[in-house]
Amino acid sequence: SAVISQKPSRDICQRGTSLTIQCQVDSQVTMMFWYRQQPGQSLTLIATANQGSEATYESGFVIDKFPISRPNLTFSTLTVSNMSPEDSSIYLCSVETGNVKNIQYFGAGTRLSVL
Amino acid sequence: GQNIDQPTEMTATEGAIVQINCTYQTSGFNGLFWYQQHAGEAPTFLSYNVLDGLEEKGRFSSFLSRSKGYSYLLLKELQMKDSASYLCAVSPNDYKLSFGAGTTVTVRA
Repeated sequence: SAVISQKPSRDICQRGTSLTIQCQVDSQVTMMFWYRQQPGQSLTLIATANQGSEATYESGFVIDKFPISRPNLTFSTLTVSNMSPEDSSIYLCSVETGNVKNIQYFGAGTRLSVL
Repeated sequence: GQNIDQPTEMTATEGAIVQINCTYQTSGFNGLFWYQQHAGEAPTFLSYNVLDGLEEKGRFSSFLSRSKGYSYLLLKELQMKDSASYLCAVSPNDYKLSFGAGTTVTVRA
């Protein structure tokens, strides 16, 4: 498994502002993922972040709204830009360690409320 | 696209057994996963099936039938701490996971 630290754990933001969420892993991993979990719902993949390449976004998510950085094998950031109340959600990062294919381990999440 | 179905809610008594079913239709198949998620916490990995059959891990077992697009998670000797949401996820390709909506299990004394 892996130990994943996500910051901030929660935040309350004003409409129109941006928030950057950080995800730090205790070991080098190739694949990191960003998910959104809206209240009472399951996880929806936003994008896959690989070191050294542009993030790959899922349908319905665009880079201008959710820019992602992946500067090295242990760190990634997700920015939620120009926020609106509809962006209120839990944002989670996960990693695949490669020890057993496709098993992902999750950070504790960032609970975002947009006023 | 991916289609993963599981019941919304289940209730059971402490000490009992509960079976959570999951059916899926995906464009590819590279494994089926079960995660447990307590309210306000991150999902934690429970089990992984890639071949047909039963995988047992303590009180939890998971079964897969690829031909039927079907899996179940069996929770035995239920404890109050097992009250949580259980997420069925399928990997349609080499690295992605597609999650079902989750089944909320409530364990009653």
